[in-house]
Amino acid sequence: QSVLTQPPSVSEAPRQRVTISCSGSSSNIGNNAVNWYQQLPGKAPKLLIYYDDLLPSGVSDRFSGSKSGTSASLAISGLQSEDEADYYCAAWDDSLNGYVFGTGTKVTVL
Amino acid sequence: EVQLVESGGGLIQPGGSLRLSCAASGFTVSSNYMSWVRQAPGKGLEWVSVIYSGGSTYYADSVKGRFTISRDNSKNTLYLQMNSLRAEDTAVYYCTATITGVDYWGQGTLVTVSS
Repeated sequence: QSVLTQPPSVSEAPRQRVTISCSGSSSNIGNNAVNWYQQLPGKAPKLLIYYDDLLPSGVSDRFSGSKSGTSASLAISGLQSEDEADYYCAAWDDSLNGYVFGTGTKVTVL
Repeated sequence: EVQLVESGGGLIQPGGSLRLSCAASGFTVSSNYMSWVRQAPGKGLEWVSVIYSGGSTYYADSVKGRFTISRDNSKNTLYLQMNSLRAEDTAVYYCTATITGVDYWGQGTLVTVSS
């Protein structure tokens, strides 16, 4: 089982804003950088956010990341139908000596 | 342009072995850290292993002692040797490269462990 907890699903209307939470502990989020990934149906995951709040080149600025203590969040503003996907948080875990992914959140655009 | 192309997946019987390859281009494998991540059908992402530029390796508990990550610098290629395969190892295996903090992913290769 994953050590990073996310809500199974979130949904919102087009052009609205959604936030996905990722809850961890001091051995992972509390002490290491958080990445966020988007996985479109049938596709490989794609990096959305790295080092907690940085956007890779080419990623829309409608996506933003933040972190506080042992929790992190991904926000998607101006929701579009193309944003329907699974989203995962991830971080290195010092206790496990391994990289851990969140449980994943399915975003649905109503 | 960074590109990662996995190969070597297929159908294998329980207890068997398989070696996955990840051919890299656009960067140097040995200068960055490379990982394998898998995804069982209908499930979430699971980290498998990492090899750092200095050669240090780490494994998920679920594969420790059975899988070995390695690289061939002359071929700029990453490998995952998988032994003693189990049904629960069935998944799409992705190769990833982390270059100055940014992850790049391959398209994945499917491994099916079944009799």
